[in-house]
Amino acid sequence: GENVEQHPSTLSVQEGDSAVIKCTYSDSASNYFPWYKQELGKRPQLIIDIRSNVGEKKDQRIAVTLNKTAKHFSLHITETQPEDSAVYFCAASLGAGGTSYGKLTFGQGTILTVHP
Amino acid sequence: NAGVTQTPKFRVLKTGQSMTLLCAQDMNHEYMYWYRQDPGMGLRLIHYSVGEGTTAKGEVPDGYNVSRLKKQNFLLGLESAAPSQTSVYFCASRRDYPNTGELFFGEGSRLTVL
Repeated sequence: GENVEQHPSTLSVQEGDSAVIKCTYSDSASNYFPWYKQELGKRPQLIIDIRSNVGEKKDQRIAVTLNKTAKHFSLHITETQPEDSAVYFCAASLGAGGTSYGKLTFGQGTILTVHP
Repeated sequence: NAGVTQTPKFRVLKTGQSMTLLCAQDMNHEYMYWYRQDPGMGLRLIHYSVGEGTTAKGEVPDGYNVSRLKKQNFLLGLESAAPSQTSVYFCASRRDYPNTGELFFGEGSRLTVL
């Protein structure tokens, strides 16, 4: 099955700095790579995702890049703010269809702390 | 829309006791999932369902059973709870069409097994 490794496990930055979280996956057939944000005591929520036919996607201060050859993808947050402090999870799946039914395999999570 | 609702939110069990977690969604989603979240291990899939009356095993199914008798409900059962099942459990659902891939999570259920 799919295996997703996420690094670093904790990341501390100053407000205004950039933050980068990296993930690698094992199954070359995976084609859907979302990122979820989980604030303390809350449910995970999708913040951005990318499909395998795209190399980069941006949404305001966040961006995701994908390197299918190397089987890794990254989350980039620019101009970090204290409200960006949360746990971030990457995930990978084969998308819908076939026997995967969009089952997501999650990384271990990164605790991001943004200091004012 | 309430979205995805889980009950109970908190529960303390003794080893060997049984219980059921209920997940309800009002979005008419076909797919539903149960994950457990443990520190440093991310979210791991326990069981999932691709429609009413169907269930399938995920990554860590041992010690759990599930049922999906109604499309809107997905139940997770622990027949004989063990301390290793102390965790936060999240239910999630996803629509099948159009498939954006987004999972909608419930608020979580914190289970402690003594």
